[in-house]
Amino acid sequence: QVQLVQSGAEVREPGASVKVSCKASGYTFNDYLIHWVRQAPGQGLEWMGWVTPKDAGTRYAQKFQGRVTMTWDTSITTAYMDLSGLTSDDTALYYCTRDAGSFDFWGQGTLVTVSS
Amino acid sequence: QAGLTQPPSVSKGLRQTATLTCTGNSSNVGDQGTAWLKHHQGHPPKLLSYRHNNRPSGISERFSASTSGNTASLTITGLQSEDEADYYCSAWDSSLHAWLFGGGTKLTVL
Repeated sequence: QVQLVQSGAEVREPGASVKVSCKASGYTFNDYLIHWVRQAPGQGLEWMGWVTPKDAGTRYAQKFQGRVTMTWDTSITTAYMDLSGLTSDDTALYYCTRDAGSFDFWGQGTLVTVSS
Repeated sequence: QAGLTQPPSVSKGLRQTATLTCTGNSSNVGDQGTAWLKHHQGHPPKLLSYRHNNRPSGISERFSASTSGNTASLTITGLQSEDEADYYCSAWDSSLHAWLFGGGTKLTVL
């Protein structure tokens, strides 16, 4: 069955970077986009961008351009989201989700806490 | 500001019908169709419907989506206690070249 398993919780100081991974299994990794979506405490869902392993494409939400990098490693069917210049506003639960028409399967979420 | 607008909260009684709305514009809801997701805090969101009322495998027929102009709706019939959750709409915006989410509607089942 399709599964997306994310890396564990992270704590970072302001100004630092964080890299979250998303290991995919149960389907052909290259066939679908992977999106990254986050939810800050008490807030709604926020789209950050996508990566498409099939044709090496990425698209980032304007808000995160210059700070986010989404990559992947086909050999280990894993997608990554790297966010730099962290501030307390980046404290959130970060999700990866597969796009097979829409956001059909989700990772369990990775809590990133930014605190000094 | 560009975005999708959802009412913050809706309350309905057990076994009643709830209709949740999502208003956008001709570049998103009115153009590309809308996805609906159910979200219980502490769990990942769950896809209920996508594009034009396509239901993923395993989603109950009690959930149905529709679109009229630039407003999308999710109708939940025969409300059950487990339907109490946050519901989000989402759509691709062809002008912004970005996915948008609504602010979410908290559904309370009385």
